[in-house]
Amino acid sequence: AQSVSQHNHHVILSEAASLELGCNYSYGGTVNLFWYVQYPGQHLQLLLKYFSGDPLVKGIKGFEAEFIKSKFSFNLRKPSVQWSDTAEYFCAVTEYNFNKFYFGSGTKLNVKP
Amino acid sequence: GAVVSQHPSRVICKSGTSVKIECRSLDFQATTMFWYRQFPKQSLMLMATSNEGSKATYEQGVEKDKFLINHASLTLSTLTVTSAHPEDSSFYICSAQRVGGDTEAFFGQGTRLTVV
Repeated sequence: AQSVSQHNHHVILSEAASLELGCNYSYGGTVNLFWYVQYPGQHLQLLLKYFSGDPLVKGIKGFEAEFIKSKFSFNLRKPSVQWSDTAEYFCAVTEYNFNKFYFGSGTKLNVKP
Repeated sequence: GAVVSQHPSRVICKSGTSVKIECRSLDFQATTMFWYRQFPKQSLMLMATSNEGSKATYEQGVEKDKFLINHASLTLSTLTVTSAHPEDSSFYICSAQRVGGDTEAFFGQGTRLTVV
């Protein structure tokens, strides 16, 4: 089974600060990579995804992530966070057939106004 | 589009009773649905993969006799927690993938189960 690690469990930032959340996975074969966000009281929603091609992926709400194959990493970034970005962020991986999703433990982001 | 609805959102039950949680894809057909469990401050742990018309595939360590999964139609999967114990208290989330495969999963809002 896959293993997905998110290094930061809780991050507190002020508005306009830059954000980077780490994500590493264990599988050596072809993978598909995702970042999901869960706003308080809401469903998990897809932020962005990577299957192939340009390793720098742009998602919704100004988020982007970079796939670095040699480091088995898929870190999430945003240049300037807003209070409305307060949420929990989950990195997820599937193997090539998109079957099972394996999730990291999540990172809670609090953005102070 | 691609809405997944779980019911109930919260349930409290007594030890020893069984609880059924429903997961419905409202506006699409789902060949595959997944059930996850989320412990406090931990990740979503995949419990089982549910395929329409066939037996569910359980992840290692998940008791199939305790967590009964039925995927009777292309829009409905159910998870029944049998003979519930307090340690079964958790947050259960389902997700669904569309017929023909999809490049993402769509998640239900989750069910908070408390066993007293």
